[in-house]
Amino acid sequence: KAGVTQTPRYLIKTRGQQVTLSCSPISGHRSVSWYQQTPGQGLQFLFEYFSETQRNKGNFPGRFSGRQFSNSRSEMNVSTLELGDSALYLCASSPLLNTEAFFGQGTRLTVV
Amino acid sequence: QQQVKQSPQSLIVQKGGIPIINCAYENTAFDYFPWYQQFPGKGPALLIAIRPDVSEKKEGRFTISFNKSAKQFSLHIMDSQPGDSATYFCAARETSGSRLTFGEGTQLTVNP
Repeated sequence: KAGVTQTPRYLIKTRGQQVTLSCSPISGHRSVSWYQQTPGQGLQFLFEYFSETQRNKGNFPGRFSGRQFSNSRSEMNVSTLELGDSALYLCASSPLLNTEAFFGQGTRLTVV
Repeated sequence: QQQVKQSPQSLIVQKGGIPIINCAYENTAFDYFPWYQQFPGKGPALLIAIRPDVSEKKEGRFTISFNKSAKQFSLHIMDSQPGDSATYFCAARETSGSRLTFGEGTQLTVNP
């Protein structure tokens, strides 16, 4: 069974630009969560989607948004990029809400 | 606000040793406590998880000890190997949601 697939793996953007990251969950999994990982703040929850609806949101500004499609694939978008948005963005998939979470390899975003 | 405190920040043991990583939490609504292992350039991989109704859980060389009254839990790695060298994260999740709150991480080095 294929794991969680995140694309692209690496991305370099300029301040002020926007970026879209993609996540394909494990087949059959319906819940997708996003996390930001930085050396200073560690792993922080961004948001979770289930059945195309956002179920939970972390303490991030409105520049961070996401969505989930009917096939459970998810995208997250960051607008007006700031240098501090440089991080590893991780997607985790779960069969249902409140079940085990399995992470992808992440997308390394660098903002210059 | 850090709701899960993890220690130590780094740990070095010899092959065959038993590294112990500790975590403490305050939020009594947490009811699921997983441990993740992360290698450089990879996403966190679920190792083992426990719920508060048991005091210990073993899977292979990995054991979680849980002390509900003290609101603490720990990971023990038996017969540690150089291949166990990685960063380990404890996490916690509330009954009502899927959001994982992570500890700060412990960088483990197992010397040959």
